[in-house]
Amino acid sequence: GAVVSQHPSWVICKSGTSVKIECRSLDFQATTMFWYRQFPKQSLMLMATSNEGSKATYEQGVEKDKFLINHASLTLSTLTVTSAHPEDSSFYICSARDGRQTSYNSPLHFGNGTRLTVT
Amino acid sequence: DAKTTQPPSMDCAEGRAANLPCNHSTISGNEYVYWYRQIHSQGPQYIIHGLKNNETNEMASLIITEDRKSSTLILPHATLRDTAVYYCIVPHSNTGKLIFGQGTTLQVKP
Repeated sequence: GAVVSQHPSWVICKSGTSVKIECRSLDFQATTMFWYRQFPKQSLMLMATSNEGSKATYEQGVEKDKFLINHASLTLSTLTVTSAHPEDSSFYICSARDGRQTSYNSPLHFGNGTRLTVT
Repeated sequence: DAKTTQPPSMDCAEGRAANLPCNHSTISGNEYVYWYRQIHSQGPQYIIHGLKNNETNEMASLIITEDRKSSTLILPHATLRDTAVYYCIVPHSNTGKLIFGQGTTLQVKP
């Protein structure tokens, strides 16, 4: 089955530093990937849509200069949390769909998430 | 884009069938219904999806009503490892993105 790998699984950083999270599709090509954030006891919140070779599309209220997304290849998207602050501490999850299939009839596959703690 | 409604929580006895309902009364003719689950501190796991016919795979069965306004996910023999939050989602028709609601927290009890 389709596998999405996310790295690192957890990271602790100091306030003011930047953190990069990688999302890879291991056995399929993904022209589109999605980034989510999840706070404790809440549901997943979509942050942005990452498009290979073009700029990401951010959901309303998500700061594009704060959360930099790069989708440089068909198997890799990265999310960089810039100048991280304690309120950015969260569970970040990426997902991808096999680009050979239509969006209607093809499931999204999710990574196992990255737990970010900003001290 | 169709919204879904699910009960916030359900209990099920281990070994019994778990039936999780979902309402999607505004679904349109070409929109699929997807089910995912999230076990604590993990990424969501795809379970099953369907358009109008009932579907079955190794994990679960999906029963969709004839008018497509609701569906039921069935875990035939629930185990303790099936304790999770279950999400019923209709993807955005243009972008295919998934917007998660609060889902149903299923607690399987011994």
